[in-house]
Amino acid sequence: GAGVSQTPSNKVTEKGKYVELRCDPISGHTALYWYRQSLGQGPEFLIYFQGTGAADDSGLPNDRFFAVRPEGSVSTLKIQRTERGDSAVYLCASSAYTVQGPQYFGPGTRLLVL
Amino acid sequence: QQQVKQSPQSLIVQKGGISIINCAYENTAFDYFPWYQQFPGKGPALLIAIRPDVSEKKEGRFTISFNKSAKQFSLHIMDSQPGDSATYFCAASRGGYGQNFVFGPGTRLSVLP
Repeated sequence: GAGVSQTPSNKVTEKGKYVELRCDPISGHTALYWYRQSLGQGPEFLIYFQGTGAADDSGLPNDRFFAVRPEGSVSTLKIQRTERGDSAVYLCASSAYTVQGPQYFGPGTRLLVL
Repeated sequence: QQQVKQSPQSLIVQKGGISIINCAYENTAFDYFPWYQQFPGKGPALLIAIRPDVSEKKEGRFTISFNKSAKQFSLHIMDSQPGDSATYFCAASRGGYGQNFVFGPGTRLSVLP
């Protein structure tokens, strides 16, 4: 079946602009995660959704970052007033809602803030 | 306490050799330990995972060894192949539903032909 998909695959924007990154999870997966991966580093947790609600948003670095999942499937990560330090690969993962299970990652969106 | 340490940072192995990557954690609440493989330009892909109630798990050429008392776990890749050249990440999560992963910094493996 189809895996996790993310769009766009690449996004170049200017400092101060607003960006939206989209994630389509695996069908039937109720848990959805956003991570950020800087060059040469492991993924860093941002936010986790269970269904439509954000169950844990403790990884969001500041209030410029926001994510939604209005219908419990597709999720959008929104970044306001982008800064050069926001440049990274933004990864989305999904998993079935079970006690401890694998997370399946999408290919990521490479964001470059000029 | 949330950190997962990983070593070495990079590893070069000859084809057919054994690749060993080590990870250590502090938080004793962690109880799920996956390993992910990532190729350039791709997202991480689950390789193998272990829970602390077993000391070893083997899947094909990949083996996880787990030492609960030392809070360490390692990935062994037997008969390493050039196609195994990638970055490997260990991770850990706490018990319960839908817990996010804490990832190690990664090990870049190069298998020479």
